[in-house]
Amino acid sequence: EPEVTQTPSHQVTQMGQEVILRCVPISNHLYFYWYRQILGQKVEFLVSFYNNEISEKSEIFDDQFSVERPDGSNFTLKIRSTKLEDSAMYFCASSEQGPSYGYTFGSGTRLTVV
Amino acid sequence: AQSVSQHNHHVILSEAASLELGCNYSYGGTVNLFWYVQYPGQHLQLLLKYFSGDPLVKGIKGFEAEFIKSKFSFNLRKPSVQWSDTAEYFCAVNVRGSQGNLIFGKGTKLSVKP
Repeated sequence: EPEVTQTPSHQVTQMGQEVILRCVPISNHLYFYWYRQILGQKVEFLVSFYNNEISEKSEIFDDQFSVERPDGSNFTLKIRSTKLEDSAMYFCASSEQGPSYGYTFGSGTRLTVV
Repeated sequence: AQSVSQHNHHVILSEAASLELGCNYSYGGTVNLFWYVQYPGQHLQLLLKYFSGDPLVKGIKGFEAEFIKSKFSFNLRKPSVQWSDTAEYFCAVNVRGSQGNLIFGKGTKLSVKP
């Protein structure tokens, strides 16, 4: 079964550093998403991406966040200057034809900011 | 704003017991409804989804859910749970016609005793 692959599985970074979380969506999928889950809290939407541009973003997705699809296969989330409260599990997801078909989630990257 | 409520934080059952996990959403318009499962250490997996038609939806692993529009509910059921069903279960909603970001409930942790 096709999978969404995320790397690394766990990243530890110092406050103020930049991190890039990487995702390889399923190859024929057209819609891409990032979600995060702070420990003990609900899964929260960050951003959706379609046709090489952001289609929707949440209040969480402020100027310190950016997304990119640099080479047609990878889908990255960059956090420019990490804060302690950015510590969370970050999930990438992709969808073949949009919201009505559900998502396939990756296994997540646990980001720890120290 | 739309929200999803899962009233049970942690449910503990013995094997062969019947399961019902509650999910209510607040949104007056048309929604798509999902249940995801997260086994320990794994990614979110789609259990089942409802878009339209028969309000009783059957998913994988013997799970089903019933959409009751008048109650804004989408409860998950399984007649007889197994130890392997131990996981966290998330109800999610997206608004029909939006770009598809999911709004998740806080999740219900299910522990099944052998």
